[in-house]
Amino acid sequence: SAVISQKPSRDICQRGTSLTIQCQVDSQVTMMFWYRQQPGQSLTLIATANQGSEATYESGFVIDKFPISRPNLTFSTLTVSNMSPEDSSIYLCSVLGQGSTNEKLFFGSGTQLSVL
Amino acid sequence: QQPVQSPQAVILREGEDAVINCSSSKALYSVHWYRQKHGEAPVFLMILLKGGEQKGHDKISASFNEKKQQSSLYLTASQLSYSGTYFCGTERQTGANNLFFGTGTRLTVIP
Repeated sequence: SAVISQKPSRDICQRGTSLTIQCQVDSQVTMMFWYRQQPGQSLTLIATANQGSEATYESGFVIDKFPISRPNLTFSTLTVSNMSPEDSSIYLCSVLGQGSTNEKLFFGSGTQLSVL
Repeated sequence: QQPVQSPQAVILREGEDAVINCSSSKALYSVHWYRQKHGEAPVFLMILLKGGEQKGHDKISASFNEKKQQSSLYLTASQLSYSGTYFCGTERQTGANNLFFGTGTRLTVIP
């Protein structure tokens, strides 16, 4: 299994500012994903972040708003830029397991973001 | 488009059974099932890779009807620990591993 540490766990931010969320994994993983989850709702895929290549964004999400870095096989960051109240949500990083768990997604505990 | 799950919510008494359905308007290459307890991260339950496949462990099992683009999750003799929101997840293409999650089913088991 993969253990994921996500920081911060929550934050309250002002409109127009940016927040960077960090995701640290205890083992090397090829595929990492960033999801957004509104309270009581399903998970929406923001982007796929693979080391050594540009992140692949899903429809409705753009790099200028959600820049992602993936400098190595154990770490990634997601920045929420120029925030508005509509960005208030829980952001989760996720990794695809390796070896015998390569069919499973493991999730971080999430970052609860509130934008005022 | 997002897979649609039914029912949206269900309340069970301990020991009762439940079925959660997941339907997609697009072809399904695989179906994943996850459970998320309140305030926690989703946790993997099982994956079905082939049409007609059925899987299970403990008293939770699932089936995958590739032709109908549907999957069902079966919970038998439910326990309090089964409470949570269940999500099916599908891939847009085989091996992509980027899951698109269904609308979710909130399951509550009461004593």
